Amino acid sequence: GENVEQHPSTLSVQEGDSAVIKCTYSDSASNYFPWYKQELGKGPQLIIDIRSNVGEKKDQRIAVTLNKTAKHFSLHITETQPEDSAVYFCAASKGYGGSQGNLIFGKGTKLSVKP
Amino acid sequence: NAGVTQTPKFRVLKTGQSMTLLCAQDMNHEYMYWYRQDPGMGLRLIHYSVGEGTTAKGEVPDGYNVSRLKKQNFLLGLESAAPSQTSVYFCASSYSRWGEQYFGPGTRLTVT
Repeated sequence: GENVEQHPSTLSVQEGDSAVIKCTYSDSASNYFPWYKQELGKGPQLIIDIRSNVGEKKDQRIAVTLNKTAKHFSLHITETQPEDSAVYFCAASKGYGGSQGNLIFGKGTKLSVKP
Repeated sequence: NAGVTQTPKFRVLKTGQSMTLLCAQDMNHEYMYWYRQDPGMGLRLIHYSVGEGTTAKGEVPDGYNVSRLKKQNFLLGLESAAPSQTSVYFCASSYSRWGEQYFGPGTRLTVT
């Protein structure tokens, strides 16, 4: 089955710097890659996602890139702010388009943004 | 619009006891999921449902049962709790199989 590896497990940056979190997946049939943010004491919340027919997607300060050949995708956060501090999860699924497949999550990255 | 709610928020059980966790959503979503979250392990799917009256096993289903008698509710049961089931449990729902999942606030369960 699908396996998603996520690195690093912890990341500390200064406010205003950029942060990059990387994930690799094993199943070449995976076609949907979301990123979730989990604040302390809350459930995860979707922040951005990308489908396999797209190489890059941006939404204000966050962006996701996908390399299907290498089977890896990354989350980029620019101009980090203290409120970006949270745990971030990547995930992969082959369910896009109606196929069967559940989300498989990475183990998470705890991002700390220091003021 | 409450989204996804979970009951209870916290629970302590003794080994061998049983309990049911309730998840409710008011978004008319077909798909519902139960995950467990353990330190350093991410989110792992326990069971899921693709519609009222249907359930299926996820990655880690052993020791759990589920029911979806009503579209808006998804129940997770532990028949005989074990310390290994100490975890934070999250329920989620989605409109489509691959789309955004909306998570509840979680239930922290401790089994002693």
